[in-house]
Amino acid sequence: EVQLVESGGGLVQPGGSLRLSCAASGFIFSDHYMDWVRQAPGEGLEWVGRSKHRRENYATEYAASVKGRFIVSRDDSRYSLYLQMNGLRTEDTAVYYCTWSRGGPNYNMDVWGQGTTVIVSS
Amino acid sequence: DIQMTQSPSTLSASVGDRVTITCRASQSISGWMAWYQQKPGKAPKLLIYKASSLESGVPSRFSGSGSGTEFTLTISSLQPDDFATYYCQHYYIYPLTFGGGTKVEIK
Repeated sequence: EVQLVESGGGLVQPGGSLRLSCAASGFIFSDHYMDWVRQAPGEGLEWVGRSKHRRENYATEYAASVKGRFIVSRDDSRYSLYLQMNGLRTEDTAVYYCTWSRGGPNYNMDVWGQGTTVIVSS
Repeated sequence: DIQMTQSPSTLSASVGDRVTITCRASQSISGWMAWYQQKPGKAPKLLIYKASSLESGVPSRFSGSGSGTEFTLTISSLQPDDFATYYCQHYYIYPLTFGGGTKVEIK
């Protein structure tokens, strides 16, 4: 069974940094795309970024709203996905979800973690 | 970016009703469409992928259809557990984008 557990959320001041982690289990981590998706309070879902699998050299993709500020990375030995968030803004306040994609050709979000909350406020 | 427009934004229905939610893409996405269900305080759950493929374990009252720019999610007979918010999402090109959501409420 695929399981994803996010951690690292918290309260941070505008301009600050935070690193989120996602601990994965139940599958061969290096073989799968992984994404971060966020949801601001009372709002809809917004895709943040993606780490592709080993066969695609772990290439990353980002939403325009976070490109240049956020970095998606992974450590296959630890079965962990990360989201390094720099230059945080109040509009980055959201629940951040880690998601897993079963694989090609359907690179949608098959399994979601429970989320971790980030609050950017002074 | 591809814009995903869902309608309606809110839907009031009764148990047993047939419910249809529409999602329109601003350009063709072929069949690269997924639908998710989200309940308050919970993570979204995948219902449909590739426009019409039912995720394992999802009740057969859920179905998806469409291709190109017009897609629908249908619940054939609404059950109490189905009152939730539903989102469409394309995965055709980057950036991946979601529709604004449709909240299905009890009438």
